[in-house]
Amino acid sequence: KQEVTQIPAALSVPEGENLVLNCSFTDSAIYNLQWFRQDPGKGLTSLLLIQSSQREQTSGRLNASLDKSSGRSTLYIAASQPGDSATYLCAVSKYGNKLVFGAGTILRVKS
Amino acid sequence: NAGVTQTPKFQVLKTGQSMTLQCAQDMNHEYMSWYRQDPGMGLRLIHYSVGAGITDQGEVPNGYNVSRSTTEDFPLRLLSAAPSQTSVYFCASRAQGANPSGELFFGEGSRLTVL
Repeated sequence: KQEVTQIPAALSVPEGENLVLNCSFTDSAIYNLQWFRQDPGKGLTSLLLIQSSQREQTSGRLNASLDKSSGRSTLYIAASQPGDSATYLCAVSKYGNKLVFGAGTILRVKS
Repeated sequence: NAGVTQTPKFQVLKTGQSMTLQCAQDMNHEYMSWYRQDPGMGLRLIHYSVGAGITDQGEVPNGYNVSRSTTEDFPLRLLSAAPSQTSVYFCASRAQGANPSGELFFGEGSRLTVL
């Protein structure tokens, strides 16, 4: 059974700092990996989607990497801003239709 | 630009009552799914559908029924609510086609409390 772990569970950083969120998964036979953002009381917003054949994806200040063989992904946020404060979740999919989510990392960026 | 719409946003039920959580999307997405989110556990897949008339079970399907009579709608039914079903429920959809790897769009959630 696929298990997804996100470390740390919570993170507090000063504004402007670069930071890394970690996601690990137990079964490396994945179809893709997605990073999502969730604001309090809201649904999830897709940030980055990495196919199993890709090593990384970038969107603005966000960069996600994937090392399938070691079962790891990282989300790098450059020059963090208070507006980046949210919960970040990663999810992996083996066949495309069933996503398995981690519990998330709660990020707080202090101004 | 509605996207994925869930109703109701909040609901309180008594044990044993039944109810339906509604989900509608206006993006002509073939794939729709229901997740529940519990503290410290992330989201878990309940049921999903890859098109009208086709549904399948996810990780935690017990106690829930779904049907997909149209592309737009994917209701989730609780036949006899239990306190263990207290949770936040999310509906999500995406284009399916031959490449089931597109971006997943989520509704804003339905918070259910079962007393």
